[in-house]
Amino acid sequence: NAGVTQTPKFQVLKTGQSMTLQCAQDMNHEYMSWYRQDPGMGLRLIHYSVGAGITDQGEVPNGYNVSRSTTEDFPLRLLSAAPSQTSVYFCASSRIQGAGNTIYFGEGSWLTVV
Amino acid sequence: AQSVSQHNHHVILSEAASLELGCNYSYGGTVNLFWYVQYPGQHLQLLLKYFSGDPLVKGIKGFEAEFIKSKFSFNLRKPSVQWSDTAEYFCAVNEGLTGGGNKLTFGTGTQLKVEL
Repeated sequence: NAGVTQTPKFQVLKTGQSMTLQCAQDMNHEYMSWYRQDPGMGLRLIHYSVGAGITDQGEVPNGYNVSRSTTEDFPLRLLSAAPSQTSVYFCASSRIQGAGNTIYFGEGSWLTVV
Repeated sequence: AQSVSQHNHHVILSEAASLELGCNYSYGGTVNLFWYVQYPGQHLQLLLKYFSGDPLVKGIKGFEAEFIKSKFSFNLRKPSVQWSDTAEYFCAVNEGLTGGGNKLTFGTGTQLKVEL
């Protein structure tokens, strides 16, 4: 059972370049989300999805796009990278019904924009 | 909007010392509360969670936390820390039941260093 898998683990981009961070889960979870982690700020929610075809914005959505064409995959797209998007990105998934669901995190993607 | 406060940003302890990390949240309704740990270079792992029942929750690796509703607090404790507990600890909260979905609001984290 792989859990939540993120690729790539490390990436360096030039300002203005685009890229996609991939996220896949094999637990048949309805809920998937992307967070970014910055020093002294904890993790902040970028976008989330409650099922295939349904996405919504989190706390810091600007500069990022998402789509959810399948239950398993939830890619995060940076259309025109900026230095302010240098961060560690975590994908997470969970079941959606019931209270107190455990939310599982991927191993993170370290992105540097120069 | 919810907010989560972790007042201790950096904590340094000697092995075998007791640990208490503070966490306060702002939401007045039903909440689910979590503590996650992040070891250097690794992803977040769930230490423990509270969503109902006994307010004293026991988690993995000897950690426990107590939910005090009147104080909007969910402090993490461990009676005797080990060098291997060196990590960053995050408190997180989401709204109860399914209305709020599983969107977590995180605190800013507490960096714990345990010295031999």
